[in-house]
Amino acid sequence: DTGVSQDPRHKITKRGQNVTFRCDPISEHNRLYWYRQTLGQGPEFLTYFQNEAQLEKSRLLSDRFSAERPKGSFSTLEIQRTEQGDSAMYLCASSLGAGDEQYFGPGTRLTVT
Amino acid sequence: ILNVEQSPQSLHVQEGDSTNFTCSFPSSNFYALHWYRWETAKSPEALFVMTLNGDEKKKGRISATLNTKEGYSYLYIKGSQPEDSATYLCAFTYGGTSYGKLTFGQGTILTVHP
Repeated sequence: DTGVSQDPRHKITKRGQNVTFRCDPISEHNRLYWYRQTLGQGPEFLTYFQNEAQLEKSRLLSDRFSAERPKGSFSTLEIQRTEQGDSAMYLCASSLGAGDEQYFGPGTRLTVT
Repeated sequence: ILNVEQSPQSLHVQEGDSTNFTCSFPSSNFYALHWYRWETAKSPEALFVMTLNGDEKKKGRISATLNTKEGYSYLYIKGSQPEDSATYLCAFTYGGTSYGKLTFGQGTILTVHP
């Protein structure tokens, strides 16, 4: 296992378009987290899954955002009707359990033009 | 609102200098303090996870201390090298219903000049 992977690494889209990102966690990791980092800020929590159950969503996650982890393995994060303010680095992390070390992927950098 | 503050925001040092950064966090309902190193175009890499007041951890030239009673942690780099150039992030986890999620500071950008 080579760690957490994310796809794509970069995405440029026009305002109003929908985008979907994928995260493949370390196998057998039960917890999967999504974070977003904007310029000059640290990563901010968006949502997390325990296996396939989405247990918490940040208020940052508007109705245009949806995340899934259908079989408790990979996860997708979809943004509908993208806005320029959605431009950010989207990071995925996984951990074995709730208090365990989180391993991060390289992120997907989204640019909305 | 849980705020994690890091200082300085950026730092330029010469190769061979020793340096340190500060992370302050809420002292109530504390569970763990994490330090990550994030190099450009790479994944954030975990350096330390500390849970006990007075913890000190070391990895090579990098070490960290933790004071949970007053809510701060220091990260030290001894004899900085150009390859230490990165953003150093601290993150806090607390007990309760959101147990496990990380609350990050804004990071300290370190540049080590040869």
